[in-house]
Amino acid sequence: EDQVTQSPEALRLQEGESSSLNCSYTVSGLRGLFWYRQDPGKGPEFLFTLYSAGEEKEKERLKATLTKKESFLHITAPKPEDSATYLCAVQAYKLSFGAGTTVTVRA
Amino acid sequence: AAGVIQSPRHLIKEKRETATLKCYPIPRHDTVYWYQQGPGQDPQFLISFYEKMQSDKGSIPDRFSAQQFSDYHSELNMSSLELGDSALYFCASSAFRDRELDTQYFGPGTRLTVL
Repeated sequence: EDQVTQSPEALRLQEGESSSLNCSYTVSGLRGLFWYRQDPGKGPEFLFTLYSAGEEKEKERLKATLTKKESFLHITAPKPEDSATYLCAVQAYKLSFGAGTTVTVRA
Repeated sequence: AAGVIQSPRHLIKEKRETATLKCYPIPRHDTVYWYQQGPGQDPQFLISFYEKMQSDKGSIPDRFSAQQFSDYHSELNMSSLELGDSALYFCASSAFRDRELDTQYFGPGTRLTVL
């Protein structure tokens, strides 16, 4: 069975304090790995798709990387508006989500 | 850019009642997915449709059914509602071209409360 594990569960950062979120996975036939941002009570907002090991994508203060067994979401110099739950999902036969990392950025 | 539309946004029902949730995918998207998200949990896949045919089935209870219509909108029908059905229900859509993977874009969700 596909498994997606995200760590840490929660992350509290000071504004400007860079950090990384981890997503490790075991899946048969990985077709893609996705990162989403979710605010409370709202739908997941698409951030990145990664397809192969070594791939990197960037958007504003966020950068996602992929290896054969894990992905990292780097948050550089975060701002309070980056506070959200970040979900990792892997696509094999279906899309399987991790439990998410809740990031809180204090001003 | 147009996004996935879901209606209603909030729904309150009594136990054993029936509920219908609607989803309108992004224009030109042909695949629709339904997810259930309980409090503090990650989204759980329920069912998906491609070109109006069921394409995959997840942990959808037998009390639930869904379909995709000719205009690609989808409806999730939930009968004999139970307290445990209270959750956020998300619809997502994607464009399935030549069997290549495409990204799922999520709607804002319908919050269902069963009393």
